[in-house]
Amino acid sequence: GQQLNQSPQSMFIQEGEDVSMNCTSSSIFNTWLWYKQEPGEGPVLLIALYKAGELTSNGRLTAQFGITRKDSFLNISASIPSDVGIYFCAGQGSGGYQKVTFGTGTKLQVIP
Amino acid sequence: DAGVIQSPRHEVTEMGQEVTLRCKPISGHDYLFWYRQTMMRGLELLIYFNNNVPIDDSGMPEDRFSAKMPNASFSTLKIQPSEPRDSAVYFCASSATGTGGEKLFFGSGTQLSVL
Repeated sequence: GQQLNQSPQSMFIQEGEDVSMNCTSSSIFNTWLWYKQEPGEGPVLLIALYKAGELTSNGRLTAQFGITRKDSFLNISASIPSDVGIYFCAGQGSGGYQKVTFGTGTKLQVIP
Repeated sequence: DAGVIQSPRHEVTEMGQEVTLRCKPISGHDYLFWYRQTMMRGLELLIYFNNNVPIDDSGMPEDRFSAKMPNASFSTLKIQPSEPRDSAVYFCASSATGTGGEKLFFGSGTQLSVL
């Protein structure tokens, strides 16, 4: 089946630093999504991407849909303590409704 | 507007008991999903419904798991009999075709512990 691998698995960064994480797939996706999960809660959608090469921002977050359609990247600029959480990428294929597959997650910890 | 509502938030039960998890999707959403989250396997899709009809249950681990959606505002996931390896966080999510069926809105989850 489809697999989405995220890297790094976890990271510790200093407040104010920029963060980069990525997601790679064994399959092509038509839609890429990035979610954030905080402790004790469900994932919350951050950004949705629909076109190869697309670059989309949401505040300090910027995500890109890779041109091969098999990868996506998320950057967080000037990290703050509330950025702590697990970041998941997710992909959806084409052809009618295709179920959304989630990546393995990147756990982010921010040191004040 | 209320989000996806799941109950209970926590469930502790003994092996062999029946467990029922409940979900109320966002009003107007036509897709409903049940996911399971564990450290080892991450977020796994168990089953999803469209307009109350089960579309894909290929992720349901065994016959011990069953899910129903009797109407647009309610769904249940049942495990009978439960086993310790079923311990996980179970999430319900919903989405709407008209505003991006791929944009899932998750509930807060049910933390299930089977002793």
